[in-house]
Amino acid sequence: AQTVTQSQPEMSVQEAETVTLSCTYDTSESNYYLFWYKQPPSRQMILVIRQEAYKQQNATENRFSVNFQKAAKSFSLKISDSQLGDTAMYFCAFMEYNFNKFYFGSGTKLNVKP
Amino acid sequence: DGGITQSPKYLFRKEGQNVTLSCEQNLNHDAMYWYRQDPGQGLRLIYYSQIVNDFQKGDIAEGYSVSREKKESFPLTVTSAQKNPTAFYLCASSRRSQETQYFGPGTRLLVL
Repeated sequence: AQTVTQSQPEMSVQEAETVTLSCTYDTSESNYYLFWYKQPPSRQMILVIRQEAYKQQNATENRFSVNFQKAAKSFSLKISDSQLGDTAMYFCAFMEYNFNKFYFGSGTKLNVKP
Repeated sequence: DGGITQSPKYLFRKEGQNVTLSCEQNLNHDAMYWYRQDPGQGLRLIYYSQIVNDFQKGDIAEGYSVSREKKESFPLTVTSAQKNPTAFYLCASSRRSQETQYFGPGTRLLVL
């Protein structure tokens, strides 16, 4: 079975600074997808960024970027120029290439302080 | 506006009662999913459907049932067999399997 581990239950960052959230996963598959979702206090799950495992280039989306280390099975999320609106729970998720099941980590609560 | 809607936002269930959570999407997505979220935990898959009139059990299907009679609708019934139903329920959809899932706003179910 696939497992996704987020080892940081809670983190804080000052507004405008950079923060990195960690995620590791365990799989025997070679092709898969990785995601970061954001869940603000409204509890709406919002896609932040997606990475295909076959792509060596790290995905970026405006202030959000990932550091994908396939051999180490690591998928960290970097948030640059943190904003108050970034305060949320962040979930790392894994999806097998040929199967549409998602496996979610337990989440990291990010607090952006003014 | 295109999107995924879930209703109601809050739902109360009495002991021994079945309740149904609604999920509708107008994105023309083929696949739909139901997840359960408990405090301090990630999402766990209850059921999913890749096409109309077909669905599969996820990791925690016991005590739940679904139907997929229309492409845009995927209701979830929480039966009396589910002994611990209090949770936040999220519905999602994707254009096809293996594609990014987009989520609805969720329904919080509480037991009276």
